[in-house]
Amino acid sequence: EAQVTQNPRYLITVTGKKLTVTCSQNMNHEYMSWYRQDPGLGLRQIYYSMNVEVTDKGDVPEGYKVSRKEKRNFPLILESPSPNQTSLYFCASSGTGYVRTEAFFGQGTRLTVV
Amino acid sequence: AQSVAQPEDQVNVAEGNPLTVKCTYSVSGNPYLFWYVQYPNRGLQFLLKYITGDNLVKGSYGFEAEFNKSQTSFHLKKPSALVSDSALYFCAVGGYQKVTFGIGTKLQVIP
Repeated sequence: EAQVTQNPRYLITVTGKKLTVTCSQNMNHEYMSWYRQDPGLGLRQIYYSMNVEVTDKGDVPEGYKVSRKEKRNFPLILESPSPNQTSLYFCASSGTGYVRTEAFFGQGTRLTVV
Repeated sequence: AQSVAQPEDQVNVAEGNPLTVKCTYSVSGNPYLFWYVQYPNRGLQFLLKYITGDNLVKGSYGFEAEFNKSQTSFHLKKPSALVSDSALYFCAVGGYQKVTFGIGTKLQVIP
């Protein structure tokens, strides 16, 4: 089954404690991205990657890092989380054509930073 | 910069009535337009897209969308709403290397 898998689904952490949210896709997609969803703001892109070892900032990259060492994986790293990073996070992937191709989304990770 | 506007936070419609969820966009070059649906506690699911060709695009679950270049709109429609259509709907536009989403419109279908 074609899918994007995120882990964990729920996470509560304390300010400043480094965390990683994993994302993996099994569709051999080149393009992967991370979004955060906040009420009244919709989905905002954090980072995207057009291929292995190629990443770039989206609209709200501050406080986040990503890496793309393998095609299937695109982890999101919060080196020093802060309460304003409390949000619902989605990983997505899409195939050749990038912005012309529909995206497959993970189930989401609800992060709370206290 | 590309952008998407969904002017209605919420749309209420009676079951069996036609529904429309509005979307307007701004992008340089040819627009690549999408609609996604999000059910509670789920990720977004693709409904339909416009890349080129016919202005009326048909998608999943009986939804369709009409592309209007002069009005830069891409409204989502369905002839007869179901209670199970109640969800959050996102319009999105693809541009240079990225896809931009609207803030979402909550659709409430009333039995």
